[in-house]
This record gives sequence, C-alpha cells and structure tokens, in this order.
Amino acid sequence: AQSVAQPEDQVNVAEGNPLTVKCTYSVSGNPYLFWYVQYPNRGLQFLLKYITGDNLVKGSYGFEAEFNKSQTSFHLKKPSALVSDSALYFCAVRERSSGNTGKLIFGQGTTLQVKP
Amino acid sequence: NAGVTQTPKFQVLKTGQSMTLQCAQDMNHEYMSWYRQDPGMGLRLIHYSVGAGITDQGEVPNGYNVSRSTTEDFPLRLLSAAPSQTSVYFCASTPVTGGYEQYFGPGTRLTVT
Repeated sequence: AQSVAQPEDQVNVAEGNPLTVKCTYSVSGNPYLFWYVQYPNRGLQFLLKYITGDNLVKGSYGFEAEFNKSQTSFHLKKPSALVSDSALYFCAVRERSSGNTGKLIFGQGTTLQVKP
Repeated sequence: NAGVTQTPKFQVLKTGQSMTLQCAQDMNHEYMSWYRQDPGMGLRLIHYSVGAGITDQGEVPNGYNVSRSTTEDFPLRLLSAAPSQTSVYFCASTPVTGGYEQYFGPGTRLTVT
C-alpha cells in the first residue's frame, strides 16, 4: 500500500541550530514529493517540491530538502532555525502514474518547535 | 486573485443534520479536492474532481457527496452528520499541468454533537 511516514511527532531545536524533519515513503515508481507547512488555524502552505533533476531542492523561507531514491526519503532541512519556523510540517507524495488526478498522499505531520 | 476560499470557517451541527461546505477558486484550476484533517492522521482525501462534471472518490468518501458544475466551485455535502465527521476540512486546487503543487483554502472547522 502507498504510504508516507514522518517518524517523529515532534522535533525540538534551539534557534540558530540546524533542523531536520524526516520523511520516508512507499510509493511505486518515482513519485513527485512535496513539503507543506501549516501555521496554527491556517491552511497548508507549499514549501518545496521534487519533480526531477537535482536531488537537493530549495524552497521558501530558507528550507531545502534532499531526495534519496535508494532510501526512499525526502527529509526537510534548514541550516539555521528561527522561532517563527515553529509550525506543523507535512510531507506528501503524488504518484507519477496518477496522471491528471493529482491525488496527494500525506504523512501524519511533524510539529516543529524552535526555542529561543 | 483570492486563491482558494472556503465558507464557513466554523460550524457546529447536531447529529443527523445536513450541510454544505463551500469551496471556490479563481485560478482556473482544473483539479480540485477535499481533504479532512484529524490529529495524528495527516490529511486524507475525501473526493476530488479533474474538471467540471467529473468527480471521483478518494480515501474516505463515505458520508460525503460532491458535485462540480463549474470550474470555480466544488461544494462538499454532508448528508447526515455524525460525530465521526468532526474534523477540519480543507479544499485544494491545482492546475492539471505545470506546477503540480496544490493550493489550499483556509479550512472549515466542523463539530458534530
């Protein structure tokens, strides 16, 4: 079955330190990969995506993510965390074979807490 | 552009009542979808549409109906509300070609008592 796993419910980091939010997936073929962020009482905002090409993709607010095909992972990273990065982060995948249906499969979410 | 808009923002229903959650987008996106968000479960797809007149079921369609008469609007109907439908509902849209990412509305928080 297709699935996306975010193994950590919560990640705690100190402001200024690097952060990593982990994501692994089990989807056939080479999927499209996404990260979204959700601030309290808000909708989801797109951060970045991997479609093809360079395994390291850069996105909004200084975030980046590394696609690792052999480990089927797409971890989100940022070199220096800000308190304002504190939010709920979702990893999502879309099968290339889904054609124009665009259906996304989401992970369960990881709460990032950045302490001053 | 207003993007994806949803109404209402909050709603409380009694068990057995029906209601419609509204969703509209002004980006001329072909694909629209409804998700529900529950703690610890991420977002789960309820129904989706690849264009006006075309809808299909997602992962958790039971108890919900949709229709797509125009490109802009994609309402979600709860036929007979149940406490298990207490959730936050998000509508999203994306163009069929191009960017691939989905654009989400602000959500509707629904409580069924």
